[in-house]
Amino acid sequence: SQTIHQWPATLVQPVGSPLSLECTVEGTSNPNLYWYRQAAGRGLQLLFYSVGIGQISSEVPQNLSASRPQDRQFILSSKKLLLSDSGFYLCAWSVAHKDSPLHFGNGTRLTVT
Amino acid sequence: AQSVSQHNHHVILSEAASLELGCNYSYGGTVNLFWYVQYPGQHLQLLLKYFSGDPLVKGIKGFEAEFIKSKFSFNLRKPSVQWSDTAEYFCAVNAYTSGTYKYIFGTGTRLKVLA
Repeated sequence: SQTIHQWPATLVQPVGSPLSLECTVEGTSNPNLYWYRQAAGRGLQLLFYSVGIGQISSEVPQNLSASRPQDRQFILSSKKLLLSDSGFYLCAWSVAHKDSPLHFGNGTRLTVT
Repeated sequence: AQSVSQHNHHVILSEAASLELGCNYSYGGTVNLFWYVQYPGQHLQLLLKYFSGDPLVKGIKGFEAEFIKSKFSFNLRKPSVQWSDTAEYFCAVNAYTSGTYKYIFGTGTRLKVLA
């Protein structure tokens, strides 16, 4: 069966420090991969999605970037964190088919101090 | 651009009351619709989905949703809620755009069921 791993679960970082959140999927090949940010009262905001290795689409301009170095690995990064980057980040995957739902990881709670 | 609106941000009900959560979407093409649920301390889980066919779809735990194309709506319903239904509910649309499927979520509805 397919599983999705996301780490770390929680992270506290100072302003100006770099960020790297990692997500890996097992049990499927060539998944679509997504990064969302969840904020109270604002739902889930789509940040990035990827349909294949090295293919990244950005939904909103911001201080973050994403990379997909391997088929089932998706990384969310920042060179210098801002206070406004604090939030709950979710990785998700789907099969590239209209009938496929999204499958979410457990999320990373990022606090920038 | 595609968007999803959930008009009820917080709902409080007593056990056995009926539930209806509104969801409207904005997209001109063919859409696939989902409801997800997030129980306290847990990750998001799929509640039900609509792709085609019968516009009334049934999901887990007694939930159902009705797709009304003319109203661009996909409201979630449950005849009798339980305390264990306390959770946050998200409506989502899956639209094919720019060569892939993008999942756009609403802002969520926090449901609290009083025992």
